[in-house]
Amino acid sequence: DGGITQSPKYLFRKEGQNVTLSCEQNLNHDAMYWYRQDPGQGLRLIYYSQIVNDFQKGDIAEGYSVSREKKESFPLTVTSAQKNPTAFYLCASSIAVGGNQPQHFGDGTRLSIL
Amino acid sequence: RKEVEQDPGPFNVPEGATVAFNCTYSNSASQSFFWYRQDCRKEPKLLMSVYSSGNEDGRFTAQLNRASQYISLLIRDSKLSDSATYLCVVAGADSWGKLQFGAGTQVVVTP
Repeated sequence: DGGITQSPKYLFRKEGQNVTLSCEQNLNHDAMYWYRQDPGQGLRLIYYSQIVNDFQKGDIAEGYSVSREKKESFPLTVTSAQKNPTAFYLCASSIAVGGNQPQHFGDGTRLSIL
Repeated sequence: RKEVEQDPGPFNVPEGATVAFNCTYSNSASQSFFWYRQDCRKEPKLLMSVYSSGNEDGRFTAQLNRASQYISLLIRDSKLSDSATYLCVVAGADSWGKLQFGAGTQVVVTP
């Protein structure tokens, strides 16, 4: 089945630890995105990538890092510099970057602080 | 002011009834609009794109009012399975059309 796979579903971070969230898609989409969702708020964009080996900061990139070495994969690292990492993290992809392209989401990773 | 605003609800709807709710957006140059559905603790799923002429998909009807800068979603003959949070999504007019997400409107369909 074509789709976006995020892992793990649940993740716990200790103080001072970096953690990496995985996102893989087999939709052959060029564009990929990372969002964070907090209760009662809309999704906020962390990073996006239009093409392999290219990525741009979104609205809340501080404390996060990404890489895009393969078209299928867009992992997100939550670093120790992110002081409030507890949230629901969603990865998405679209055929290309562009407002007329709807984005399709993976089933998310819930990150909590230990 | 938020770029996309929605009434959080909840809208409590008897099964079989009709419910409608709006979403307002602040950027008059916005070009594309979508409704997503999000179930509790799940990912958003695309419900429908909203075209300038309005569009219908089964029991769901979306309308765009550019003059007043809002989009609406109407659900007819509500089913229990329609209970969810509906996210309004607006694409900006900048070069790459970043999506702006509303916080969602919760709909609860009751037996």
